[in-house]
Amino acid sequence: GAVVSQHPSWVICKSGTSVKIECRSLDFQATTMFWYRQFPKQSLMLMATSNEGSKATYEQGVEKDKFLINHASLTLSTLTVTSAHPEDSSFYICSAGGGLGSYNEQFFGPGTRLTVL
Amino acid sequence: RKEVEQDPGPFNVPEGATVAFNCTYSNSASQSFFWYRQDCRKEPKLLMSVYSSGNEDGRFTAQLNRASQYISLLIRDSKLSDSATYLCAAGGSQGNLIFGKGTKLSVKP
Repeated sequence: GAVVSQHPSWVICKSGTSVKIECRSLDFQATTMFWYRQFPKQSLMLMATSNEGSKATYEQGVEKDKFLINHASLTLSTLTVTSAHPEDSSFYICSAGGGLGSYNEQFFGPGTRLTVL
Repeated sequence: RKEVEQDPGPFNVPEGATVAFNCTYSNSASQSFFWYRQDCRKEPKLLMSVYSSGNEDGRFTAQLNRASQYISLLIRDSKLSDSATYLCAAGGSQGNLIFGKGTKLSVKP
């Protein structure tokens, strides 16, 4: 399968600060990247769909001004959690698709564990 | 009704056992279905896609029943290394995936 990297793998920050997470597709061009969030013992919940060169589409209940997504190239999407608070502590995972396999086939990054103190 | 629902688990089975996971989906327009495996504090890894004709990969067999909107995963001859959480996923209209909550499997010696 294709390789997707994420950086950082974990981050601890103070409440009120902003955190940027990068997601890169290393060996293919991803026209679409997805951002998920997973709380302990919960399923992955889609936050937003990011298409290269256009604005992200956010799921209901996800604040677009708080979770800023930029997908400036076919290999890089970034998620910035602005003014993070303890309730934003979670496991954030990106995935990349682009028609390598079936329409919905996605390749996941290793995730970023965010802890907000 | 949740879009994708799975057996809650956990499933605790001895090595060598056969175990089956079930999953139902609500969107009849979904065209793609997958089983993912997720280890603790790791990202999901694709285990297998699920096709209408059913597909098998070694000890793993996946089935899709479109009429009942149901997919299944069968693991034969369970190994200790099969212990993980198994997530089923249905394809959404935007190319996204809709995941179930996952079923935890624990294989004991």
